[in-house]
Amino acid sequence: SQQGEEDPQALSIQEGENATMNCSYKTSINNLQWYRQNSGRGLVHLILIRSNEREKHSGRLRVTLDTSKKSSSLLITASRAADTASYFCATDAGVETSGSRLTFGEGTQLTVNP
Amino acid sequence: DAGITQSPRHKVTETGTPVTLRCHQTENHRYMYWYRQDPGHGLRLIHYSYGVKDTDKGEVSDGYSVSRSKTEDFLLTLESATSSQTSVYFCAARGHDASPLHFGNGTRLTVT
Repeated sequence: SQQGEEDPQALSIQEGENATMNCSYKTSINNLQWYRQNSGRGLVHLILIRSNEREKHSGRLRVTLDTSKKSSSLLITASRAADTASYFCATDAGVETSGSRLTFGEGTQLTVNP
Repeated sequence: DAGITQSPRHKVTETGTPVTLRCHQTENHRYMYWYRQDPGHGLRLIHYSYGVKDTDKGEVSDGYSVSRSKTEDFLLTLESATSSQTSVYFCAARGHDASPLHFGNGTRLTVT
């Protein structure tokens, strides 16, 4: 079963609005990563947050991590049509626990309407 | 992603035939991974490698084998392709544990 589960599965917003996607996971993690996938392409890494961090920013992206609730959120502020893509969270339980595997959720399809 | 090349990009094959997908990286990454992506399932790990000739199974390894004889190449083989193996296959690599993955652009495999 998937370690990470994204919510919602699909999100449609207008340009300029903020988009929030959530990720829940089941076991302890070393870090959690967010990726973006444009149609027909490979995934591109967006941001990594370690288990001892609570919040991280990168440009218009803001990621939070709550290890007590085993959840993370990705906020994209002032969205643009070019942000239209699928977004995935991936959990990394660390080498000793999972042998360097990352486990991905099913993703959130974000559509930003011009 | 720069440095990760998958070949072929598209392949159509018949049930029962063997198929090999190739992943080539130029960044000397230690870890390499093969995932498959299917609607409703996200990305699922097939096999991964933590060094030359060091590989391990992922969650959906049945029907697949891998080999890594050089740091830069990671091969995925379907011994006898089945229709359930129709999917998009992604290779990924990273330099060390707890670092981000770099992905190739995928191979779309259709088994008829």
